[in-house]
Amino acid sequence: GQQVMQIPQYQHVQEGEDFTTYCNSSTTLSNIQWYKQRPGGHPVFLIQLVKSGEVKKQKRLTFQFGEAKKNSSLHITATQTTDVGTYFCAGWAGGGADGLTFGKGTHLIIQP
Amino acid sequence: SAVISQKPSRDICQRGTSLTIQCQVDSQVTMMFWYRQQPGQSLTLIATANQGSEATYESGFVIDKFPISRPNLTFSTLTVSNMSPEDSSIYLCSVSSYGYTFGSGTRLTVV
Repeated sequence: GQQVMQIPQYQHVQEGEDFTTYCNSSTTLSNIQWYKQRPGGHPVFLIQLVKSGEVKKQKRLTFQFGEAKKNSSLHITATQTTDVGTYFCAGWAGGGADGLTFGKGTHLIIQP
Repeated sequence: SAVISQKPSRDICQRGTSLTIQCQVDSQVTMMFWYRQQPGQSLTLIATANQGSEATYESGFVIDKFPISRPNLTFSTLTVSNMSPEDSSIYLCSVSSYGYTFGSGTRLTVV
């Protein structure tokens, strides 16, 4: 079945440093979505990427979808303590597929 | 986006018993999804619940263990049956709109 790999599993950064997490799918995706989960919370939708090579920005966050629609990245510029949490990518294969396939997530730890 | 009310938020249960988790959505949705998340881990899809038909289960999950009801377009329940400590986890329901909206989760501990 479809697999979504995500690295790194953990990332420690100093506040103000940049952060990037990467996702790679075993199959071509119809779309890829990104979620943030704060400690003790539930996943919250950030964005959806649909088009090959698509780049979207949300303030300090930049999301990219690869040309082959199999890989994606999330980059945070100048991290802040409010960015702490786990970032998940989730792929949707489309067609008859229903639910999302989640990556294992990247736990972002920020040291002030 | 939809708003989901999920309950209970947490429970501690004896092994061999069952727990039913409820999710209420503030709008009508065709499909509802049930996920399991071990603490600190990723989310695993258990099943997709369609109104008016049997739920579709993912590999490794069976109806006898995780029966699901979907009586209408705004409500679904997931039952964790004959629980063992291995069932201790967080269970989340979700619906698809633009992106997926998740309930706040049910933290289940089986002792």
